[in-house]
Amino acid sequence: DAGITQSPRHKVTETGTPVTLRCHQTENHRYMYWYRQDPGHGLRLIHYSYGVKDTDKGEVSDGYSVSRSKTEDFLLTLESATSSQTSVYFCAIRDRGDTQYFGPGTRLTVL
Amino acid sequence: GQQVMQIPQYQHVQEGEDFTTYCNSSTTLSNIQWYKQRPGGHPVFLIQLVKSGEVKKQKRLTFQFGEAKKNSSLHITATQTTDVGTYFCANTSGTYKYIFGTGTRLKVLA
Repeated sequence: DAGITQSPRHKVTETGTPVTLRCHQTENHRYMYWYRQDPGHGLRLIHYSYGVKDTDKGEVSDGYSVSRSKTEDFLLTLESATSSQTSVYFCAIRDRGDTQYFGPGTRLTVL
Repeated sequence: GQQVMQIPQYQHVQEGEDFTTYCNSSTTLSNIQWYKQRPGGHPVFLIQLVKSGEVKKQKRLTFQFGEAKKNSSLHITATQTTDVGTYFCANTSGTYKYIFGTGTRLKVLA
């Protein structure tokens, strides 16, 4: 699975609190992605990164920010969590053949 | 923006029956990828199709890319309980962004 880990795996938080999810990869991949998965919507891209400190928005980026200060880590931050951000979040990398490999996911519940 | 529609949304089949899911786009696709996600798991890459009219097989799975590169299908022959999960198509839309279909959830009844 391309050495991708996500932390935490589960989190319950309250509306209005900041939350940071971490994606870590060990194989020096340049491209990293954050998706959210909700019933009926499939996988929707939040943000992606094409290098250290190089990031771009996806289709559902509002309310999310990202940072990538090292090749191996891609952080997703919810500055002020809302109930609509309750979801399963997947991190992914893209290999040289355009294949995406996904991390195990983080289940986030915002009360 | 480019959208990829996937049908059906759900499919229940008896074990041993065939299954097909379709992916359709209103615009020409540069490529199409298929992923499988087991219940409670993460999406796993199955295959990528690039050429018009391309057909690829993986054991009981047959993948097709339409001649106009606007649609694709995944066909499973003689389903087994191990085929249970959600199947997604995806397209890179010519950039480094991936657009995923909404997925087809397959349930196989033993």
